Parts: sequence; structure tokens; C-alpha cells
Amino acid sequence: DAGVTQSPTHLIKTRGQQVTLRCSPKSGHDTVSWYQQALGQGPQFIFQYYEEEERQRGNFPDRFSGHQFPNYSSELNVNALLLGDSALYLCASSLGWSSGNTIYFGEGSWLTVV
Amino acid sequence: AQSVTQLGSHVSVSEGALVLLRCNYSSSVPPYLFWYVQYPNQGLQLLLKYTSAATLVKGINGFEAEFKKSETSFHLTKPSAHMSDAAEYFCAVSENGRAAGNKLTFGGGTRVLVKP
Repeated sequence: DAGVTQSPTHLIKTRGQQVTLRCSPKSGHDTVSWYQQALGQGPQFIFQYYEEEERQRGNFPDRFSGHQFPNYSSELNVNALLLGDSALYLCASSLGWSSGNTIYFGEGSWLTVV
Repeated sequence: AQSVTQLGSHVSVSEGALVLLRCNYSSSVPPYLFWYVQYPNQGLQLLLKYTSAATLVKGINGFEAEFKKSETSFHLTKPSAHMSDAAEYFCAVSENGRAAGNKLTFGGGTRVLVKP
């Protein structure tokens, strides 16, 4: 049973560029969330997708956008990259988006902006 | 808005000693509560979660946590530390409510060092 898988694992981008990160949820899960974890900090919620719609959004600018596909996989896009966007980006999945549902995390994608 | 406070960004324990990691939450309604562990260069692994069934929750790897509503706390303990417990631990809350969704709000984390 595959868990949450993310790609790429590491990438380096230049300021002003755009990046796309990809996520496949755990088998059977239909809800995907994205978190940003800066070095030495706890993860911060970016947004959540269910039935291909953004259901919840954290305090992140519009440069951060996402998409969920019919097979429940998801992408996170970040435009006009800033140095401060350097972080570990974690994808998480769950069965449904009801409060209390267990959320499983992937290994993350390390983004470095130079 | 919910918030989570983890007292102590670093904790050092001797192998075999008690591990105690503190977590306090701020919420008008008792939330759902979680503890996750993160090993170096890895994602988050769920240790345990509280969903109002029992106040003492047992998790994986010998960890347990007790929900205390009066103290708005959800401290994590393990009776005897093992070298493999060296990692960062995060407490998280999810708002309790029909339309609340299940987004997690995390504390700042506590890094555990286990001394031989």
C-alpha cells in the first residue's frame, strides 16, 4: 500500500521563476493538503483540495496555487519565487476533509530559491 | 484562531529516562489533537491522535498522551527513551466542527536528543 508520494524530492530555482510540485495521495484517499515547513519551524497550512476544488486556504499569497486531478493527485504551483519561499513542502492526504480525519504526510519536496 | 504552544524547543534525555514533551492549545472548543514525529530529512509520521473517545491515548513506539481539558494540554510521554527516539516532535490541532475541515495547526516543534 503506497503512502503519499511527492516529486521532485529536491530542486533549486532562481528568484522570479515558477515551480510545480506534485503529489499522489495514499491509496484510497481523496483529499490532499499542502503545507510549507521553513527550516526550524512547524509546518504551515497552505490549502486543501477535495473533489477538485480548493476547500480551505491558509494565509498564503495568490502566488501559491494548486490543482487536484480526477485521480486525486495534486500539484502545487508557486509563481514569482522569493528567497523566503525556500522550504520543505509537504503534501498530506486523508479520506474526506472532515475534522478529526487522520492525515498522512509524504516525505516532502525541498525547494531552494537562490 | 487556534494556536499551539510547545514548551521547550529542545529536550535532552538519557537513554532509559522518561520523555515528556509539553503541548498546550488555545481553542474555544476542545479540538482534535495530534502528535507527529519527524526524523531528519523525512516527512511527518503520526504518533497518536485524540478525538474525544478517551483522554489517555496510546500511540506507536511506546508513546502516549493525555488530554486535559482544564489545562488545555496534550502532553506526550514515553516511560523509557531509546536512541531511536531522537527526532523532532510536533503537536497539532484540528478544529472540531462540522464545517471545520481537517487542516492542522502545528506548534513550533520540540527536538529530542537522547544521550547514551
